[in-house]
Amino acid sequence: GAGVSQSPSNKVTEKGKDVELRCDPISGHTALYWYRQSLGQGLEFLIYFQGNSAPDKSGLPSDRFSAERTGGSVSTLTIQRTQQEDSAVYLCASSPAREGRNTIYFGEGSWLTVV
Amino acid sequence: GQSLEQPSEVTAVEGAIVQINCTYQTSGFYGLSWYQQHDGGAPTFLSYNALDGLEETGRFSSFLSRSDSYGYLLLQELQMKDSASYFCAARSGSARQLTFGSGTQLTVLP
Repeated sequence: GAGVSQSPSNKVTEKGKDVELRCDPISGHTALYWYRQSLGQGLEFLIYFQGNSAPDKSGLPSDRFSAERTGGSVSTLTIQRTQQEDSAVYLCASSPAREGRNTIYFGEGSWLTVV
Repeated sequence: GQSLEQPSEVTAVEGAIVQINCTYQTSGFYGLSWYQQHDGGAPTFLSYNALDGLEETGRFSSFLSRSDSYGYLLLQELQMKDSASYFCAARSGSARQLTFGSGTQLTVLP
């Protein structure tokens, strides 16, 4: 597609349930990022994939969070045993290279509400 | 580690000029970029400075001083549609992820 695609756009889940969020990056982009943004807050880095290199998982807040990227393209962020504090918008972004102009392209986000 | 500091809020009137500052602390530095985010929308790239000086893109300009670890975004001829959050961001040498500041909420008044 033309841009970064994320699904679902909105998800309401019960506390304790697992959720999966999907990101389809721009075709040809080797770098993929996940960020979390709580209402009115900044962008919190979660995880970064670059090509076939080991991902940078330094931002994952707990072991309930995990992510994978299959075939160097689509990525899935999984949150296990969701808690109310996990409610946020989860933003995926991609870029054509690891460095360069620091330009990354964001999707519209997956809005997660844990009730 | 790396951190970027910016004011939380700025208010200005339509037609005015506003400057949003950003100071950073990083181990190694590959330049400063700026993103705009409207309420409910995705952040979008505005500008990037790799070297010291001013970069101009239409009504928006961005400045970087590497020796002062400081940059700013300058918005001229403000319009109501410029009301949004603005984030500075930087990628340091050791880490590969792009770190964002906490964002500045700009409100443009009529």
